[in-house]
Amino acid sequence: DAGVIQSPRHEVTEMGQEVTLRCKPISGHNSLFWYRQTMMRGLELLIYFNNNVPIDDSGMPEDRFSAKMPNASFSTLKIQPSEPRDSAVYFCASSLAQPDNSPLHFGNGTRLTVT
Amino acid sequence: SQKIEQNSEALNIQEGKTATLTCNYTNYSPAYLQWYRQDPGRGPVFLLLIRENEKEKRKERLKVTFDTTLKQSLFHITASQPADSATYLCALNGQNFVFGPGTRLSVLP
Repeated sequence: DAGVIQSPRHEVTEMGQEVTLRCKPISGHNSLFWYRQTMMRGLELLIYFNNNVPIDDSGMPEDRFSAKMPNASFSTLKIQPSEPRDSAVYFCASSLAQPDNSPLHFGNGTRLTVT
Repeated sequence: SQKIEQNSEALNIQEGKTATLTCNYTNYSPAYLQWYRQDPGRGPVFLLLIRENEKEKRKERLKVTFDTTLKQSLFHITASQPADSATYLCALNGQNFVFGPGTRLSVLP
């Protein structure tokens, strides 16, 4: 199993540009999560999906952020327009359907730098 | 307000000793609690899960306890090795999956 695959690994962009982060979850997993990690705030949940449906997006910072899951094998997190304070590592994770005690499997993240 | 705290930002111990990490939570009633390990530049990796009706769980050199009265979980690594150096995160299922800030463990040879 390839695990959760995220792309790109690194993204450097200028303020105001659109950024799209991509995630391929583990096959057979029904839940998908997007987290953001910074030194100041740690690992913050942005949004999670069950069976491709967004269940809780209360962690999405503002309207500049949007996430989609068009099918069970692909999800995107888009920031438009990007700002320097969006600089962070963004993780995607998948698991068997929540709420459950199934562990989360994380990708290796996308390090986003907005200048 | 809801809060998850881990005992310290960083913990240094000598190789061979037991490392004990603490996770405390406020205003949650989790059915279970999980521990993860994170290495630099990588995503967190699941280690152990303990349910609210379990007092203790073990896996090789790892032991987790869960006290729902104290609202606390302890994570122990016995006979620690330099390869155990990493950041350890606790996570619980509140309204959704929430992580603590992590403790960076350094095992010194």
